[in-house]
Formats: sequence, C-alpha cells, structure tokens
Amino acid sequence: QSVLTQPPSVSGAPGQRVTISCTGSSSNIGAGYDVHWYQQLPGTAPKLLIYGNSNRPSGVPDRFSGSKSGTSASLAITGLQAEDEADYYCQSYDSSLSGYYVFGTGTKVTVL
Amino acid sequence: QVQLVQSGAEVKKPGSSVKVSCKASGGTFSSYTISWVRQAPGQGLEWMGRIIPILGIANYAQKFQGRVTITADKSTSTAYMELSSLRSEDTAVYYCARSRDGYNDLDYWGQGTLVTVSS
Repeated sequence: QSVLTQPPSVSGAPGQRVTISCTGSSSNIGAGYDVHWYQQLPGTAPKLLIYGNSNRPSGVPDRFSGSKSGTSASLAITGLQAEDEADYYCQSYDSSLSGYYVFGTGTKVTVL
Repeated sequence: QVQLVQSGAEVKKPGSSVKVSCKASGGTFSSYTISWVRQAPGQGLEWMGRIIPILGIANYAQKFQGRVTITADKSTSTAYMELSSLRSEDTAVYYCARSRDGYNDLDYWGQGTLVTVSS
C-alpha cells in the first residue's frame, strides 16, 4: 500500500509541459526527507530520473526537473517527446512503521 | 559501471518459498545498500526491505516482516531475497536495486525476476 499519492495519469502533446505531483505526509516528505523520481518504460526496470528532490543523474535530459515543498513534490517534463511515454514513480523515506522506503502510486504519462 | 544481475524466473506452489539472487559487479559491494522491490502485474512498485552488506543488517517493510529474509554474501558480491509462505498475490516481478552509502535513492536496478505462484 503506497503512502505517496500521485495522479493516475497525465497527458500532453509533443512539445508541451506536464507536471506530476507526489503528495506525502509529515512522516515522509513533510519530515524533510528527499524525494526521488523514476521512469519505467514498458517491460523494463525502473530508471532513476531525479534524486535528492532536484538533481539529475548523468545522462538524464534537462527536460526533466524536480521540486519539493512542504509535504509534496513535483516532477516536470518540458518539451514532451514521444519517448517520454512511460510510468513515473516518486519515492521517499518514511519514519513511521509503514516502511523505510515508500513509493508513490505511479503516474502514466501519455504523449498525444 | 555498476551492474546487478538477477537469477531467472521461478514458478512456485502456494505455501512454498522462493530465493532470488542479485549479483553485483562494479563499485564496492560492501559500501552500498541493496533493496528489494516488487511489482505485481499491472501494479506499482512496493519496497520490501534492504540490507547493508558491510554490517550484515537487514530492515524489512512491516508488511513483509516474518515472511521475507534478505541476506548478502560479501565474498561473491551477491544479495539474496527469500520469501516464504507464498500465495498467489506474491506473483510479481522482483527487483534488486542499489543505494549509495548515505543516500536513499535507488540508482542502479537489476533486470527483474518474475516469480509466479500457482497451483
């Protein structure tokens, strides 16, 4: 059972900007723990997209950006491309009994 | 370059156990944490637990406490995840993933192992 809530789906035309929200609570994001984002293409393992709220690993295009405020975080994709069609998950650390690492519910991005 | 290579697909009977391996290459095995994450068909990611090989200490998500055991063999740079009392709801792809020392993100992932529980 996920403790981080994401919208089930978002969509946009090529070139547009889309954002994905990730809402947590005072035991995870709100407690100051970092948020990380992953991209999962169909049939493949997740790939780290953003770490430490807003940092991109080497090789990740700068079209992807992350931010965090209060008990929520966001992933933005600017200049949407067909290859960005995938599932996206946020992840953080949780200090409650629910578990150490927690994932978001996941968001399907569709490029129209 | 870090690589995590997992063992092959498994088919198990309800009530049995499964043990999945994850062999690491590149980097220093003992200096990072290995987590196990599963994904049921058509569902999201679920963190199961992790191990710090240098300490041999494992932590588990409350949901899996008592049913999962995560171990590591430093001599072969291999981590293992054993899940017992399998039921049909445990049918999923199981991934291992690495966290660098001091970080909570998962920067390298194994290719995944499909475990099917069926009578």
